[in-house]
Amino acid sequence: DAGITQSPRHKVTETGTPVTLRCHQTENHRYMYWYRQDPGHGLRLIHYSYGVKDTDKGEVSDGYSVSRSKTEDFLLTLESATSSQTSVYFCAISEGTGLSYNEQFFGPGTRLTVL
Amino acid sequence: GENVEQHPSTLSVQEGDSAVIKCTYSDSASNYFPWYKQELGKRPQLIIDIRSNVGEKKDQRIAVTLNKTAKHFSLHITETQPEDSAVYFCAALNEKLTFGTGTRLTIIP
Repeated sequence: DAGITQSPRHKVTETGTPVTLRCHQTENHRYMYWYRQDPGHGLRLIHYSYGVKDTDKGEVSDGYSVSRSKTEDFLLTLESATSSQTSVYFCAISEGTGLSYNEQFFGPGTRLTVL
Repeated sequence: GENVEQHPSTLSVQEGDSAVIKCTYSDSASNYFPWYKQELGKRPQLIIDIRSNVGEKKDQRIAVTLNKTAKHFSLHITETQPEDSAVYFCAALNEKLTFGTGTRLTIIP
């Protein structure tokens, strides 16, 4: 597996509380992504980053924010968690896009439960 | 944006038989089509991919075909084995990856 870790791996929290998930890579890849995985929906892109301090929205970005202050770390924040954000969250990394696109390597996932 | 549809959602085949999973995409500008395998409780892992300038690609028991005109691509697994049981996802890339909703493949011993 590529050098990607996620923390925490499991979290239970209450509605209305802030939550931050961390993705850490040791591959020095430029691109980092946050996905959520829900039954019947596959993997859906929340936000992605194409460099330090460079981020953009994905398909399901409402209620989420991200930050990338270092190449190796990409943080996903739920400002005020809701039950609809209960999901498994995957971080992914890739080297490039376009003609130099390489595969996305996924982290181990974080299971988040919002009560 | 891109829309990827994947069928079937579940598939059961006898060990040794072939399995085929099909996907369609909507954006003709998509140019890269990976397939991921996800075992229970694990992360998705790439098993094969194909670029838009290629019609077919094989890797041992796994093959992918692409029909750009019809905007179809398919995964073919031959001589299926119990360890092929997993959820398979197709995806299409146009700047960002858009995933299909997955196919749960069960190999019956």
